[in-house]
Amino acid sequence: GENVEQHPSTLSVQEGDSAVIKCTYSDSASNYFPWYKQELGKRPQLIIDIRSNVGEKKDQRIAVTLNKTAKHFSLHITETQPEDSAVYFCAASDGSGAGSYQLTFGKGTKLSVIP
Amino acid sequence: NAGVMQNPRHLVRRRGQEARLRCSPMKGHSHVYWYRQLPEEGLKFMVYLQKENIIDESGMPKERFSAEFPKEGPSILRIQQVVRGDSAAYFCASSKTPPYEQYFGPGTRLTVT
Repeated sequence: GENVEQHPSTLSVQEGDSAVIKCTYSDSASNYFPWYKQELGKRPQLIIDIRSNVGEKKDQRIAVTLNKTAKHFSLHITETQPEDSAVYFCAASDGSGAGSYQLTFGKGTKLSVIP
Repeated sequence: NAGVMQNPRHLVRRRGQEARLRCSPMKGHSHVYWYRQLPEEGLKFMVYLQKENIIDESGMPKERFSAEFPKEGPSILRIQQVVRGDSAAYFCASSKTPPYEQYFGPGTRLTVT
């Protein structure tokens, strides 16, 4: 089955700096890669996703890059703000229909943005 | 614009009791996934259901756990004879026909005493 590794587990940045979180996956059939933000005690919130036919996707201060050859994808947050502080999870899914489209999650990165 | 609904939000059960967790998907979504989250960990897939069908239950423990998504009403995750190790947050997510995005509910936090 799929295995997703996520690094780092914790990340502290100064407000205004950039933050980068990296994930690797094992199953070459995976072709859908979402990122979720989870604040303490809240639901995971989908913030951005990318499919394997695209190498990069951007939404305001958030961008995701995908390298299918190396089987890794990254989340980039620019101009960080205190409200970006949360736990971020990457995930991978096989969207081909061979599986059930279940998401396999990384273990999360706790991002702290210091004012 | 109701999102995914789950109830109860918090559930306390004594060892040996049954826990029933309910999930109502977003309007227009007919696919439901259940995930479990242990403290300080990521989410683990349990089961995937469509209306009246279990599509994939490969992540669900073979004993004591069951799930359903009837034609009418919410999806239900049922845990019989709960043990302390069942204490966790249980999230459901819904989507349109895959491979569309999955949106999560607020979760049910189960505590077994």
